[in-house]
Amino acid sequence: AQSVTQLGSHVSVSEGALVLLRCNYSSSVPPYLFWYVQYPNQGLQLLLKYTSAATLVKGINGFEAEFKKSETSFHLTKPSAHMSDAAEYFCAVSEPGNQGGKLIFGQGTELSVKP
Amino acid sequence: GAGVSQSPSNKVTEKGKDVELRCDPISGHTALYWYRQSLGQGLEFLIYFQGNSAPDKSGLPSDRFSAERTGGSVSTLTIQRTQQEDSAVYLCASSPMRLKGGEQYFGPGTRLTVT
Repeated sequence: AQSVTQLGSHVSVSEGALVLLRCNYSSSVPPYLFWYVQYPNQGLQLLLKYTSAATLVKGINGFEAEFKKSETSFHLTKPSAHMSDAAEYFCAVSEPGNQGGKLIFGQGTELSVKP
Repeated sequence: GAGVSQSPSNKVTEKGKDVELRCDPISGHTALYWYRQSLGQGLEFLIYFQGNSAPDKSGLPSDRFSAERTGGSVSTLTIQRTQQEDSAVYLCASSPMRLKGGEQYFGPGTRLTVT
């Protein structure tokens, strides 16, 4: 069965510092992987996705993630945090061939950015 | 263009009452998903529609939960005899693709509170 683990329910960084949010997955086949962001009282917005093309994926708002099959990881990074990045971030996986492509989510990581 | 919309945005109901939650997907999106977001359980898949059919209902937590979709568009999630543990944010998402890692576009959610 698929599962997603996000290490750290809360991450705090200073403005301008590197953002690193960790995600590890468990899947029997290389999955599709997604990062979503959720701002307070809003739905989820897609940041980026991996679907077996380039292993380094660039997304919106300066975020990127690297798929590492050997480590079963898909960590999210941003070189320089901005105050507007404060939000909750979810890593999600779906299995190719899974009917409908339902998403299995990690527990989320709340990012706070200190001035 | 218009995104996924959900109504109502907030719903407070008494234990034992039935509720209906509505989702209007993005026009032309054939796939529609319902998820539930709660403090204790995180983001959980409930049900998936392709057109008007629901080939994956595996996430519905009990037979008090049901959903339908008509005209390949609007979907309604119904919860009968609501319980306090049903309190959560119910998110709807739609996608133009299936199987190929197509991203899902989320609505703002309906916050359900059962008193």
